[in-house]
Amino acid sequence: AQSVTQPDIHITVSEGASLELRCNYSYGATPYLFWYVQSPGQGLQLLLKYFSGDTLVQGIKGFEAEFKRSQSSFNLRKPSVHWSDAAEYFCAVGPTGFQKLVFGTGTRLLVSP
Amino acid sequence: DSGVTQTPKHLITATGQRVTLRCSPRSGDLSVYWYQQSLDQGLQFLIQYYNGEERAKGNILERFSAQQFPDLHSELNLSSLELGDSALYFCASSSSGDHTDTQYFGPGTRLTVL
Repeated sequence: AQSVTQPDIHITVSEGASLELRCNYSYGATPYLFWYVQSPGQGLQLLLKYFSGDTLVQGIKGFEAEFKRSQSSFNLRKPSVHWSDAAEYFCAVGPTGFQKLVFGTGTRLLVSP
Repeated sequence: DSGVTQTPKHLITATGQRVTLRCSPRSGDLSVYWYQQSLDQGLQFLIQYYNGEERAKGNILERFSAQQFPDLHSELNLSSLELGDSALYFCASSSSGDHTDTQYFGPGTRLTVL
């Protein structure tokens, strides 16, 4: 069965510093991979998704993610974090042909001044 | 604002009771999904409907049921509620239900079972 691991429960980054959130997946075939963000009291918003092709995916709000098959990873990056990026970030995998997203446990990002 | 609406925002009820959560998808979207977010289980897929028919099922308890109506809104019914059912329930919608579609999430309904 497919699964997603986000090893960092909390991460604190200074405003203006770079960010990398880790995501590892387990899935037998080529996965569909997603990053969502959840701000306090809000629903989830899609940041970016990977289906095939270029392994470096650009998303909204200046985020990008890189799919590395050899490492079963799909890490999320941002070169310069803003205070408004403080939120919880979820990595998800979707098996081909279905929409049953399997989510990781999330990483809470705190941004310090 | 994703365009997906959920009512009510908050729901407080007692064990053994039954509640109904409502979701209106984005205009034009045919597929609706339900997810449960709890502290111990995380974010879990419950069920998907496409144009009124059940398309995929996840970790949905037998005490829970859902349906999608002809106007495409959906309801999630939770019965014989237990303390452990306290969670945030999200609805999402997508245009066709295809795996390449983006799912747009509503703000959620927070259910508290006392």
